[in-house]
Amino acid sequence: ILNVEQSPQSLHVQEGDSTNFTCSFPSSNFYALHWYRWETAKSPEALFVMTLNGDEKKKGRISATLNTKEGYSYLYIKGSQPEDSATYLCACPDRGSTLGRLYFGRGTQLTVWP
Amino acid sequence: GAVVSQHPSRVICKSGTSVKIECRSLDFQATTMFWYRQFPKQSLMLMATSNEGSKATYEQGVEKDKFLINHASLTLSTLTVTSAHPEDSSFYICSASAGYSNQPQHFGDGTRLSIL
Repeated sequence: ILNVEQSPQSLHVQEGDSTNFTCSFPSSNFYALHWYRWETAKSPEALFVMTLNGDEKKKGRISATLNTKEGYSYLYIKGSQPEDSATYLCACPDRGSTLGRLYFGRGTQLTVWP
Repeated sequence: GAVVSQHPSRVICKSGTSVKIECRSLDFQATTMFWYRQFPKQSLMLMATSNEGSKATYEQGVEKDKFLINHASLTLSTLTVTSAHPEDSSFYICSASAGYSNQPQHFGDGTRLSIL
């Protein structure tokens, strides 16, 4: 079992603010890092899958960075909008597994106030 | 994008009832499907991994006889909660993937199970 941690647990920001949160994971035997966005009453939606140290990925106003040596990833949202309100989950697969099993953090619940 | 359909979305039933939850991949062949359970304010906890045509792999602490998983085709996996009791009340969600850890998983909408 992998210990994946996310902080903060919840975050409230004003519309237009930029924000970021953290996912920490064991740096040994790293294979991949997944980010998902989970809006209320919807299914989790994949944002990024990152595998390379130093990698940076971007999707619209959302971007993510990865540091596999120190075991963390940051997710950034630029100019937050109310529709960005969701729980953001990160997860890592068990490298020893060939089945793609993921271990999730508890998520960061983001609320963007208009 | 890939679509996964999960039914039912909400179940309320009496203690002792068996409940079946279906997870279908609508537009792709899912080599592997995963079943998760989420307790309040907790992360998604992997219960089991199922591969088409073979027995499911259960995580430690998950009762195989309580949570029966069948993955009869590349587009359908089912989770049956047998003889459900109030402590089985929870949120259950499935996902599907091509089976590689560097590929995203595609999730259903989840099932809220309430056992009275």
